[in-house]
Amino acid sequence: AQSVTQPDARVTVSEGASLQLRCKYSYFGTPYLFWYVQYPRQGLQLLLKYYPGDPVVQGVNGFEAEFSKSNSSFHLRKASVHWSDWAVYFCAVSPTGGYKVVFGSGTRLLVSP
Amino acid sequence: DMKVTQMPRYLIKRMGENVLLECGQDMSHETMYWYRQDPGLGLQLIYISYDVDSNSEGDIPKGYRVSRKKREHFSLILDSAKTNQTSVYFCASSLPDRGQAPLFGEGTRLSVL
Repeated sequence: AQSVTQPDARVTVSEGASLQLRCKYSYFGTPYLFWYVQYPRQGLQLLLKYYPGDPVVQGVNGFEAEFSKSNSSFHLRKASVHWSDWAVYFCAVSPTGGYKVVFGSGTRLLVSP
Repeated sequence: DMKVTQMPRYLIKRMGENVLLECGQDMSHETMYWYRQDPGLGLQLIYISYDVDSNSEGDIPKGYRVSRKKREHFSLILDSAKTNQTSVYFCASSLPDRGQAPLFGEGTRLSVL
């Protein structure tokens, strides 16, 4: 069965520093992959999505992610973190040919001054 | 403006009472979802609906049922609510094409006392 693992429950980054949030997926084949962000007391908002093709995907607010089939990973990156990036980030996978979207447990990003 | 609307946003119920959570979308999306979110568990899929009266169980359907009589409206019903159903519930919708990223509502925070 498909699954998503976000190994880091919490990540702390200094404002202005670079960021990488890790995501590993388990799926036989090449799935569709997503990163969402959740600000306090809000719903999830889509940051970016990967469809089979270019492995590096650009998203909103300077976020990007890189798909690696060999590593079964889809890590999220940002070159310079801003205090407003303080939120919970979810990685999700959807199999090709299906509609079910499975989410990871989330990574809480804390930004220190 | 594409939007998924959930009502109510906050709800307190006593154990054994019936609960109705409502969700609407204005995009005529065929596919709609109900998820619940608990700390450390991410989002778990309760039900998925492919269109009117075409619903399918997700990963944790026990204790829940759904109703979809109009494409724009998808309800989640808890008959005789239990304290372990205290959670944040999210509705989402998407186009029926493979790999579409769901658009989420703001969530309903349910407390069952």
